Amino acid sequence: GENVEQHPSTLSVQEGDSAVIKCTYSDSASNYFPWYKQELGKGPQLIIDIRSNVGEKKDQRIAVTLNKTAKHFSLHITETQPEDSAVYFCAASKVSGGYNKLIFGAGTRLAVHP
Amino acid sequence: DGGITQSPKYLFRKEGQNVTLSCEQNLNHDAMYWYRQDPGQGLRLIYYSQIVNDFQKGDIAEGYSVSREKKESFPLTVTSAQKNPTAFYLCGGGDSNQPQHFGDGTRLSIL
Repeated sequence: GENVEQHPSTLSVQEGDSAVIKCTYSDSASNYFPWYKQELGKGPQLIIDIRSNVGEKKDQRIAVTLNKTAKHFSLHITETQPEDSAVYFCAASKVSGGYNKLIFGAGTRLAVHP
Repeated sequence: DGGITQSPKYLFRKEGQNVTLSCEQNLNHDAMYWYRQDPGQGLRLIYYSQIVNDFQKGDIAEGYSVSREKKESFPLTVTSAQKNPTAFYLCGGGDSNQPQHFGDGTRLSIL
């Protein structure tokens, strides 16, 4: 079945540095790739997403890149701030019919140190 | 305030007991989802519903049941057949061309 691998599992950076989280997916038919941020005791919050017809998308300090050939996508956070500290999840899905069945990576715990 | 509301925030289950987790949404989503989250792992799909009165098993449906009698509501029952129910349960909503959004979860523990 579909599988999503996410690396690294933990990431520690200094405030102001950049952070990169990488994911690979197994199903070449996947066409939607969201990224979520989860804070302690809360549900995941969507921070950015990308569809398979686009190679890159940016929203202020956050960007996502997609390489369909390699089945690989990455989250880039620039100028990190302590409030970026959280667990980040990537996901992949093959949008079909009226629903969107997401397959999640195992998560990356990001710590931004002042 | 629009969104997905889960209750209770914390729930305790006794041996042999069934418990029901509530999920309500006012976002007018046809599709709703239940996920289980264990420490250090991603979300795993338990059940999903594409429309009222219809639902499908996800990857880890054993020991769980759902109903979808109303568009706004998608309750999850953790039955006594689920031998390892301790986890964080997340309810999501979102149709095929929309991002999926989540509630703030219910943490279930065994007494």
